[in-house]
Amino acid sequence: GAVVSQHPSRVICKSGTSVKIECRSLDFQATTMFWYRQFPKQSLMLMATSNEGSKATYEQGVEKDKFLINHASLTLSTLTVTSAHPEDSSFYICSARNLEAFFGQGTRLTVV
Amino acid sequence: AQKVTQAQTEISVVEKEDVTLDCVYETRDTTYYLFWYKQPPSGELVFLIRRNSFDEQNEISGRYSWNFQKSTSSFNFTITASQVVDSAVYFCALSEAYRGSTLGRLYFGRGTQLTVWP
Repeated sequence: GAVVSQHPSRVICKSGTSVKIECRSLDFQATTMFWYRQFPKQSLMLMATSNEGSKATYEQGVEKDKFLINHASLTLSTLTVTSAHPEDSSFYICSARNLEAFFGQGTRLTVV
Repeated sequence: AQKVTQAQTEISVVEKEDVTLDCVYETRDTTYYLFWYKQPPSGELVFLIRRNSFDEQNEISGRYSWNFQKSTSSFNFTITASQVVDSAVYFCALSEAYRGSTLGRLYFGRGTQLTVWP
């Protein structure tokens, strides 16, 4: 099956710094990628839909200036958490669509 | 609006027992896709099955089986002879369809934590 690679798998950062998470589709071109956030013991909530070459579409309640999404190529989308705070600590997971939805391994972000 | 309900938050069974995880969905679309994913403690989502709304045939894959009933909007998942390695969170999800393929945006249920004891 298709492979989506997400990096890093774990990151710890200090409050106020920015963190970039990469999502790559390794063997197919993904015109659309999705970013989800998962709180402990909770479901996955869609944060934004990222389309190659255009601005991301954010879900209601998600701060677009805080969670910057860039989808510059058909195989790479990035999520940057700017000025991170402890409440941003969470599990972030990307998904790339071809004919199916394939998920990355997820990134566990801890802001201290 | 799309909605997926997994009423069972946690289930515990002893190894070799059969267990069924329930999933009920809501959608106004006539074409849609249903999924089950497994999320082990490591966090990644493992794809288990996709079923489109026109295919109500039940499916069996090894110890796993799925029962899709459009009449009750349910897509239940049964593990036969459960094993400790089956312990994980299981998510049911619904996807809109677009031009015959999945749109990709998934609406997830809250997940069911399955614990299989030795």
